[in-house]
Amino acid sequence: AQSVSQHNHHVILSEAASLELGCNYSYGGTVNLFWYVQYPGQHLQLLLKYFSGDPLVKGIKGFEAEFIKSKFSFNLRKPSVQWSDTAEYFCAVNYNQGGKLIFGQGTELSVKP
Amino acid sequence: KAGVTQTPRYLIKTRGQQVTLSCSPISGHRSVSWYQQTPGQGLQFLFEYFSETQRNKGNFPGRFSGRQFSNSRSEMNVSTLELGDSALYLCASSFWDRQETQYFGPGTRLLVL
Repeated sequence: AQSVSQHNHHVILSEAASLELGCNYSYGGTVNLFWYVQYPGQHLQLLLKYFSGDPLVKGIKGFEAEFIKSKFSFNLRKPSVQWSDTAEYFCAVNYNQGGKLIFGQGTELSVKP
Repeated sequence: KAGVTQTPRYLIKTRGQQVTLSCSPISGHRSVSWYQQTPGQGLQFLFEYFSETQRNKGNFPGRFSGRQFSNSRSEMNVSTLELGDSALYLCASSFWDRQETQYFGPGTRLLVL
């Protein structure tokens, strides 16, 4: 079955700490990978995406993610978090099915000033 | 360019009633996907419409249905509401292909009493 797993439900960090959020997906052939963020009271918005090519992709606000095909992983990283990064982060996978995204359960990130 | 809009933003219904939610995609986008977001189940795909045809469907009962109009606007309907249908319903639009980014609306928060 198609599934996406995010390792952490809630992560608490202090400002300037480094961030890594894990995401694994079940095998399903060619996939497209996304990280979305939902700031408190705001819409889901795209942080970054991977379709093909360089497995290290850079997104907005200093975020980056690495696609490791052999591990079916797409982990999100940021070297130094800010209080404004407090939000819920969702990993999503498209298994070559039109506009159908399979989402992970989400990781709530709290950054202490 | 205007974003994805959803109406109404909030809705309170009682069990057994039916409800219709509306979504206007970004101008030029032809694919509209619907998702249900709840604290327990996270973000789950309901269905996708493209060129007035349902292209993908998630694992929801037949009480959940949708349609798309020639101008790409979409509606979803839930009949015979149950308490468990209380959720945030999100609409997302994209141009047409799985490799396109989906842009999300603010959602309609439905409370079933």
